[in-house]
Amino acid sequence: EAGVAQSPRYKIIEKRQSVAFWCNPISGHATLYWYQQILGQGPKLLIQFQNNGVVDDSQLPKDRFSAERLKGVDSTLKIQPAKLEDSAVYLCASSLPETGSYEQYFGPGTRLTVT
Amino acid sequence: GQSLEQPSEVTAVEGAIVQINCTYQTSGFYGLSWYQQHDGGAPTFLSYNALDGLEETGRFSSFLSRSDSYGYLLLQELQMKDSASYFCAVRDRTGGFKTIFGAGTRLFVKA
Repeated sequence: EAGVAQSPRYKIIEKRQSVAFWCNPISGHATLYWYQQILGQGPKLLIQFQNNGVVDDSQLPKDRFSAERLKGVDSTLKIQPAKLEDSAVYLCASSLPETGSYEQYFGPGTRLTVT
Repeated sequence: GQSLEQPSEVTAVEGAIVQINCTYQTSGFYGLSWYQQHDGGAPTFLSYNALDGLEETGRFSSFLSRSDSYGYLLLQELQMKDSASYFCAVRDRTGGFKTIFGAGTRLFVKA
């Protein structure tokens, strides 16, 4: 079974530039999550999708971050414009949709450096 | 709101037993998970407790007390490869079963 795929693995941009990350979840996983993990901290949920609908985006800075999952499979997360404090690892995870499903499978992450 | 507390660092000797505690505060508690993350790696799932009691999976066990809003991860027969960060994460049913992670406990295993 293929795992969660993410690209790119690393990205360096200057502040005020834009960047996009891509995630392809495990086949059959209807729930998809984007997390931001700053060095030394736990993952912080940015947005959670169930199929192509948003379940929670309460911690997504909507003035600069956007995410979509148009066909209910892969997803993109965009930052525009980036700030220095956006430097972090962006993790994508997926899980089965049932309420009793608790195990999340994480991708390798994208390490973003904003200079 | 929601909050989780766990120690920032724990050090133990190879072969020993270590317990990592987690206390939480959330209005819609559904279950408590534990994840392991090695430096530069992705979090990987270890265990989940929805009911009070102890769940055992090999060298790792996890405990939950819902009345005390408390859980712990127990690692036995510590190995050097267990050196990693361990996160407790609350599954909260408020607004669609979202997961809130703690800040993590960095475990150092010494020879």
